[in-house]
Amino acid sequence: QKEVEQDPGPLSVPEGAIVSLNCTYSNSAFQYFMWYRQYSRKGPELLMYTYSSGNKEDGRFTAQVDKSSKYISLFIRDSQPSDSATYLCAMSGEDSGYALNFGKGTSLLVTP
Amino acid sequence: DAMVIQNPRYQVTQFGKPVTLSCSQTLNHNVMYWYQQKSSQAPKLLFHYYDKDFNNEADTPDNFQSRRPNTSFCFLDIRSPGLGDAAMYLCATSVGGYEQYFGPGTRLTVT
Repeated sequence: QKEVEQDPGPLSVPEGAIVSLNCTYSNSAFQYFMWYRQYSRKGPELLMYTYSSGNKEDGRFTAQVDKSSKYISLFIRDSQPSDSATYLCAMSGEDSGYALNFGKGTSLLVTP
Repeated sequence: DAMVIQNPRYQVTQFGKPVTLSCSQTLNHNVMYWYQQKSSQAPKLLFHYYDKDFNNEADTPDNFQSRRPNTSFCFLDIRSPGLGDAAMYLCATSVGGYEQYFGPGTRLTVT
């Protein structure tokens, strides 16, 4: 079983919709959780960084971590065509050294 | 703006011809990483440096080498590129290892 599972999509939503992106993981030692946005042929851009369980909000983006269920989510409110990109979850912990464990990414398309 | 810079953005090399990719950072982060990302796949860690300490991932091919002459610069050398090495190569930095910041990437084509 891969350590981090993420549905690759593609996910297509109309402009203004609320988008929910999710990852599950198997390693209970993970404590650091990140969401990256990657536009085509560009490097990943760090969107949200969360330590341990809980919620974090930044503008239209909310990250949630539920360590008991080993489940993390990224919500995008009032989605815009410019949000169309691949969203990668990534996580690490004390036992993974400096390596990030990535999901495969979910491709999101927001249509006008 | 402080950032991670990669040069060149696009590199074409011939099969077996050595190539070097470069990365520089103005963030003054102590950890630098090289990742390989193939189409529709997650980034795969090749190496990382904690300061000058070099760490090689177990499954990184011997064909790949890296150098970090100072805090700001890091290089990826591919000694004999094969067709399977065509990919996006990403440099990243962090303080301490968790929150990583990526450069724009170098897209390598092998002909």
